[in-house]
Formats: sequence, C-alpha cells, structure tokens
Amino acid sequence: SQQGEEDPQALSIQEGENATMNCSYKTSINNLQWYRQNSGRGLVHLILIRSNEREKHSGRLRVTLDTSKKSSSLLITASRAADTASYFCATDYQGAQKLVFGQGTRLTINP
Amino acid sequence: KAGVTQTPRYLIKTRGQQVTLSCSPISGHRSVSWYQQTPGQGLQFLFEYFSETQRNKGNFPGRFSGRQFSNSRSEMNVSTLELGDSALYLCASSLNLVASDTQYFGPGTRLTVL
Repeated sequence: SQQGEEDPQALSIQEGENATMNCSYKTSINNLQWYRQNSGRGLVHLILIRSNEREKHSGRLRVTLDTSKKSSSLLITASRAADTASYFCATDYQGAQKLVFGQGTRLTINP
Repeated sequence: KAGVTQTPRYLIKTRGQQVTLSCSPISGHRSVSWYQQTPGQGLQFLFEYFSETQRNKGNFPGRFSGRQFSNSRSEMNVSTLELGDSALYLCASSLNLVASDTQYFGPGTRLTVL
C-alpha cells in the first residue's frame, strides 16, 4: 500500500480562497516533499521539509510537518486558476532509500 | 540550464513487443529515477541509477529493466509488453541519491499498449 495518503482526494474552491491538503504516512521518515502535476505532465517540486522541521514557507505555500501524528499539510493561500493541478506528497521513509508517493489530491480552482 | 528531457513523448505498441524509453537528466545530475504512473496504481517507483549503477529497484517484474550511461543519460526497457503496461513513464534526476534530494521530473513518455 502507499506510504503517503492524501486527503481529500479532490478539492474544488473559488479563486482567492485558501486550499489545504493533508498527507498522512505510516513509518518514520527522513524528509517529506510536495510536488505538483499539471494534467498528464511531469511533476514539479514545491517544498522539501525534513523530519526535524515543523514548518516551511515558499511564496504562497506553507507546509507543516507533525512527526508525532505522522502527517503533513500543504496550504496554498490566495489561490489562482493556475494552481489547478494534482498535488502529491512523497516520503523518504527510513530504510527505504527511495521516494514513495501518495495518490494525490486533485485541486480545482474555479474562477 | 536545460531541464530533464524524455524521448519519445508518445508511443503506441502492441502486446508482445518491446520498447525503449530514453531520459537525459539535468547537466551535473548523477541520479536518475524512473516511475510508472497509472490511474489505478498512482506513481510507482521503478528503479534508480546513480553513477551507472542500479541503486534501488521497485516491485516490478524482470521485464522492466534499465541502464545508465557514463554521461548520466538513462534508458529503460520493457520487454514482452502487456496491456497493463500502458502508463505515463516519468524520469527524474537529482544531484544525489533520490531519497535525500529534490527530484526534477521530465515531461514523461505516454506509452499505449494495444
């Protein structure tokens, strides 16, 4: 089964609203990454957060990590139509030596 | 700096055939990983190459193989194609071994098996 599970599977909001996506994982990790994928194309790296970090920001993106709950969240503030995409979390869990991706959250921003 | 490139972008094959996909990483990147993406299984790790050596392999049958050349370019091969091999195949490169580093993805090769 997937190491990371995103929630919700799909999210539809109005332009200008904030979007929050969650990722839960099962075993201890070294780091967690978030990626974006526009329809049928390659993934674009958004943020990497290490296990000893609790929060990171990049522009309109904020990522939090709670290792005690084995969960992470991605917040996109002031959403734009161009943010419409699928968002994936990927975990580097200890001993795996590879990234394991969740199933993703499909985000739709309505104008 | 040029991004990760993959060729071909689209491919149509029939069952039983074999296929070779190519990936050119970002200049200076030594690690190349391959992923298969399907609607049902999501993104699945195939294998990773670092300095021409396979460092890690996902849970795929032996029909899936790959290699990396001295210039870090990588190829993956799928023999005896099955309908279930239809997928988007993504290549990603990174400076170091995949688990600890940011991955830079190519646009993918869309393989359709008829």
